[in-house]
Amino acid sequence: AQSVSQHNHHVILSEAASLELGCNYSYGGTVNLFWYVQYPGQHLQLLLKYFSGDPLVKGIKGFEAEFIKSKFSFNLRKPSVQWSDTAEYFCAVTPYTGGFKTIFGAGTRLFVKA
Amino acid sequence: EAQVTQNPRYLITVTGKKLTVTCSQNMNHEYMSWYRQDPGLGLRQIYYSMNVEVTDKGDVPEGYKVSRKEKRNFPLILESPSPNQTSLYFCASSLQGAHTEAFFGQGTRLTVV
Repeated sequence: AQSVSQHNHHVILSEAASLELGCNYSYGGTVNLFWYVQYPGQHLQLLLKYFSGDPLVKGIKGFEAEFIKSKFSFNLRKPSVQWSDTAEYFCAVTPYTGGFKTIFGAGTRLFVKA
Repeated sequence: EAQVTQNPRYLITVTGKKLTVTCSQNMNHEYMSWYRQDPGLGLRQIYYSMNVEVTDKGDVPEGYKVSRKEKRNFPLILESPSPNQTSLYFCASSLQGAHTEAFFGQGTRLTVV
């Protein structure tokens, strides 16, 4: 079955530290890839997405992600986190199987200490 | 303002009492879906709809029903709720299917006692 794995369930960083959140998926064909963020008490919002082209994509608030097809990975990065980045981050994959399902990872809770 | 609106935001109900969670979007999106969010499990898709009168099961459809009579509305129906359906529910819509960005509602926190 198709799945999305996020390696870190909880991450605690100090402000100005660099962030990398891992995401791997199990589908071997063409995929669309997304990172969503959920701030405390709020709904999910899109951070960035990859459909095709340059595998390094930039999103909002200084986030970026790199698609490495050979590793089935789409890791999220930010060079310097802020307290306001405290949130839960979800990786999501939509395989081109002819269906219309999006598969979400279990999420990573990030806490940034001021 | 473009948005997905869910109601109610919070609901406590008793086992077996039918309930409906409404979802409405004002972006003329074709694709709508329902997810439940549980700790450690992320979001799991319950049902989705590709257009009016076209719906299909997601990964966890048991105990739920949906309908899509109008493009803007996609209600989630629990005919006989049980405690294992206690969860946080999100409705989402996107322009052209799961391959485009999803816009999420604010969520409905449901407790079944």
